[in-house]
Amino acid sequence: DIQMTQSPSSLSASVGDRVTITCRASQNIYTFLNWYQQKPGRAPDLLIYSVSNFQSGVPSRFSGSGSGAEFTLTITSLQPEDFATYYCQQSYDSPPAFGQGTKVEIK
Amino acid sequence: QVQLQESGPGLVKPSETLSLTCTVSGYSISNAYYWAWIRQPPGKGLEWIGSFYHSVSPFYNPSLKSRVTISADTSKNQFSLSLNSVTAADTAVYYCSRVRANPYGTFDIWGQGTLVTVSS
Repeated sequence: DIQMTQSPSSLSASVGDRVTITCRASQNIYTFLNWYQQKPGRAPDLLIYSVSNFQSGVPSRFSGSGSGAEFTLTITSLQPEDFATYYCQQSYDSPPAFGQGTKVEIK
Repeated sequence: QVQLQESGPGLVKPSETLSLTCTVSGYSISNAYYWAWIRQPPGKGLEWIGSFYHSVSPFYNPSLKSRVTISADTSKNQFSLSLNSVTAADTAVYYCSRVRANPYGTFDIWGQGTLVTVSS
């Protein structure tokens, strides 16, 4: 099975900061990488699919990059509504695996 | 607008069977797209349980395959999850989701989730 590892597991940041989250796969997954945002008590929401494609309604301050086995999610100018947990997920092979999550907290 | 809603008992006894239903509105589950179950133990990450596409045998996570059945009732536009021989480790929020591209693809629409606790 493909393993997904995110770093950091948590981070503290201020409104307006630039935030970068890294996701590494245990093997080459090409561009089969998605990002989700989850707020407390809510279901995850799809943010970005296939590395860098925005789901409808996602603000342009979010961006994704990478290929192969290393990927990043960047939030430029963090907003109050962005404080949440972010998960990456590989959609290259079964079973689809999620990273352990990165919790973005208010500094 | 496509919406998914999970329903089922919130409490299941150990060794018994967990049964949940996902009702889909705004889209026919007989059309294109896979449909999936995903779970999240309290305070932990996300685990894919399995996916199905109408008229095709379901795809299951190997770690749960021996205990899981996913089925569909297209007349009600619903699909269901059955997980037998449950233990406390099966306590989780269970989500149903629509899946793009393939059975392990992009989970683009989610239900709100339902907490199932396994306890005597």
